[in-house]
Amino acid sequence: GAVVSQHPSRVICKSGTSVKIECRSLDFQATTMFWYRQFPKQSLMLMATSNEGSKATYEQGVEKDKFLINHASLTLSTLTVTSAHPEDSSFYICSARETSGRGKTQYFGPGTRLLVL
Amino acid sequence: AQKITQTQPGMFVQEKEAVTLDCTYDTSDQSYGLFWYKQPSSGEMIFLIYQGSYDEQNATEGRYSLNFQKARKSANLVISASQLGDSAMYFCAMREREAGNNRKLIWGLGTSLAVNP
Repeated sequence: GAVVSQHPSRVICKSGTSVKIECRSLDFQATTMFWYRQFPKQSLMLMATSNEGSKATYEQGVEKDKFLINHASLTLSTLTVTSAHPEDSSFYICSARETSGRGKTQYFGPGTRLLVL
Repeated sequence: AQKITQTQPGMFVQEKEAVTLDCTYDTSDQSYGLFWYKQPSSGEMIFLIYQGSYDEQNATEGRYSLNFQKARKSANLVISASQLGDSAMYFCAMREREAGNNRKLIWGLGTSLAVNP
């Protein structure tokens, strides 16, 4: 299957700092990438849909100025958590869908665990 | 509204036995896709199997098969010959109707499967 990487896998930061998370599709091109947030023992919550070369589409209730998304190329999308606070601590996971072919399946990165102190 | 329901918060199965994880869905669309993902404790989301609404045969992938009953709107996952490594959270998801390129997944709450030795 297609491979998606995410970096960093784990980050601990002080309150007020910004954290950037990278999502890369390693062996395919992805016009569309998705960013999710997951709290312990809960399902995935879609935060935003990232399209290469255009503005991201945010889900209701997600602050676009808080969670900055940049999809600069067909293989890279970044999520920046600006001025992080303890309530932003969570598991962030991205997924990518192939541009070519049937493109029906979302392949996920391994996730990033963010802890804000 | 489109919705995925997984009624089993937790399931136990003996090693080498088969187990069925339930998933029902609600949609008014004629064209849709159903997915199962596995999430081990490491957090990564692993794609298991896909069923298209127009596929006449049930999808199979190795030890995974999808019992698709369209009239009942159910898409149960069957894992045969359970292994200890199958212990994980399992999520059922449905692809939302096509809206440009941003086809989102609707997620169930998940089922935690524990395989006993």
